[in-house]
This record gives sequence, structure tokens and C-alpha cells, in this order.
Amino acid sequence: DAMVIQNPRYQVTQFGKPVTLSCSQTLNHNVMYWYQQKSSQAPKLLFHYYDKDFNNEADTPDNFQSRRPNTSFCFLDIRSPGLGDAAMYLCATSRGRGSGGLSNEQFFGPGTRLTVL
Amino acid sequence: TQLLEQSPQFLSIQEGENLTVYCNSSSVFSSLQWYRQEPGEGPVLLVTVVTGGEVKKLKRLTFQFGDARKDSSLHITAAQPGDTGLYLCAGVNTDKLIFGTGTRLQVFP
Repeated sequence: DAMVIQNPRYQVTQFGKPVTLSCSQTLNHNVMYWYQQKSSQAPKLLFHYYDKDFNNEADTPDNFQSRRPNTSFCFLDIRSPGLGDAAMYLCATSRGRGSGGLSNEQFFGPGTRLTVL
Repeated sequence: TQLLEQSPQFLSIQEGENLTVYCNSSSVFSSLQWYRQEPGEGPVLLVTVVTGGEVKKLKRLTFQFGDARKDSSLHITAAQPGDTGLYLCAGVNTDKLIFGTGTRLQVFP
């Protein structure tokens, strides 16, 4: 089945120790997104790639970086995690570049829950 | 800034009751999506509404898009414990989604 896969599902890191979260997709979608979600809140978009074009949200801290080496994979790097970065990190994909309708439907992975000690 | 306000924020009901969740904005969206998210999982798309006034049904769930495409509602008939979760509306803005504030639904047996 076509899907969005995130690894690991649970990640524990220490304060200030760099961590990388990974996402892969078999949907062959053009757009890949990274969201941060804290308890009982809506997902907050950090950035997205349309193919190789990187689009950063204005309020995303510099501590968060991303890489998309090919269509299938996208990585989220947190350079120096702080206690406030503990959250669920969601990856999503979509076909992209439409004015509405099916091309903008997003398919989410199961998320990676990050704990910062 | 486009904002989507959902109400209520929290809802606890007994199995068999009906409920409606509202999603309101002052902005017009080309389309709007509803997602359900269960604890520890990613959101799952339930429906996309595109046309003003559109009504879509998914078993016991009825979704409506406002005529002016600024608001939407989700009505659940005879709620079941399996409907428990976080319901999110999301307005489509080119390649991005503007998520609503969320409604956490708990259905007790």
C-alpha cells in the first residue's frame, strides 16, 4: 500500500544534542511537509518542499533544518534541541500545485514523538 | 492572516448522541478539508469540500461547506466510542493547509 512512513516513532534525545527525524513516501507526491504538534493543539507547519524547492515558514526557528535528497525522502534536523522542542513531529505529502480540490489533499505519516531530556 | 476557529474546543458525550462541530473563518477558501486524529497517530483525511453549499456524507458523518466558502460544519449522528479523537478542519491555501484550532471529541460507552 502507498504510504507515508516516519522513523523512528519515538525518539529521545538530550538537551542540545542534534537529532534527525526521517520521512519516506511511496506516493510519488511532489510536496513534502514537516509539522510540529504539541499536546491537543493543531499541527504547526515548519516548512515544506515542492520538489526541490524549499519553503520555510516565517516563524520557524533556525534550530530546525530540513533536507530532501530525492522525491521519496525528507529529513528534519534539530540542531540543538531544547525542552520546548519536545512534541510530535508529523510528515505529510500532497500532489501539490492546485487551486483547490484533490491536488491539495495531504497524507500524514504516523508521527515521531520527540522527548528532550 | 487566515484563521480558522473551531467550536466547541472540547466535547464529551454519551454513545448514541448527535453532535455538530463548527469551523469558521473570515477568509474565503478554495476548498476545505476535515481530518480526524487519534492519540499517537497522524491526522487522517475524512473529506474535502470544494463547492459553496456542498454537502458530503460519510456514513454517520455529514459535512457541509458554507455558501460563501468561509465556514464548514461536521455533524455526527449517533456517535460511537470509535468516533473519539481530535477533529481538525483545514482550509486550503495553494500548497499549504491552514488548520483550525481543533475539537477534541470523547464519546463514552
